[in-house]
Amino acid sequence: DQQVKQNSPSLSVQEGRISILNCDYTNSMFDYFLWYKKYPAEGPTFLISISSIKDKNEDGRFTVFLNKSAKHLSLHIVPSQPGDSAVYFCAASAGYGGSQGNLIFGKGTKLSVKP
Amino acid sequence: DVKVTQSSRYLVKRTGEKVFLECVQDMDHENMFWYRQDPGLGLRLIYFSYDVKMKEKGDIPEGYSVSREKKERFSLILESASTNQTSMYLCASSSIPSGYTFGSGTRLTVV
Repeated sequence: DQQVKQNSPSLSVQEGRISILNCDYTNSMFDYFLWYKKYPAEGPTFLISISSIKDKNEDGRFTVFLNKSAKHLSLHIVPSQPGDSAVYFCAASAGYGGSQGNLIFGKGTKLSVKP
Repeated sequence: DVKVTQSSRYLVKRTGEKVFLECVQDMDHENMFWYRQDPGLGLRLIYFSYDVKMKEKGDIPEGYSVSREKKERFSLILESASTNQTSMYLCASSSIPSGYTFGSGTRLTVV
């Protein structure tokens, strides 16, 4: 059973507009959430994270929102750029670090930003 | 700049061959992981290790084994490669609070 779900396999957005990538989770013990970006033929790279004590974290064009009651998080990219075109993975962990801290990944959402 | 290095970017092996995928990290991280990525299936954890000589099964360990003789090196072994093991293999390491750092991946094709 999937604990981290990205229900949209793909998303297409016009350059300059907002991209919103969604992620749902089922395990209420998750307390740390991350987004990774992956280009073809490369490994995923860390993008942004949020701990469960916060509901928003912002880093430049990227903002992650966490709604604990809904067990939902989202990544907002504003404005979207063609270089943002990649697969985005949502990940979560419970008690981050050590034997309790394995990340559970969603299946990914492929974002295409069109010029 | 911290790094996780996977020894090969592309590999082609024959069915039944024994295959070694090597991963080295220079960050002194305790934790190391092997994933495979397949279209529509995301990242699936094969094996992980929290310390030298330690290994634990992930979600899909069948057909794979691992070795961690030194802290910086984590090897994935396909005992007898099969075509359904054709995939992108990703190694990662982690340590609190730095998160996971991934290698560039190895695209393995088994023919």
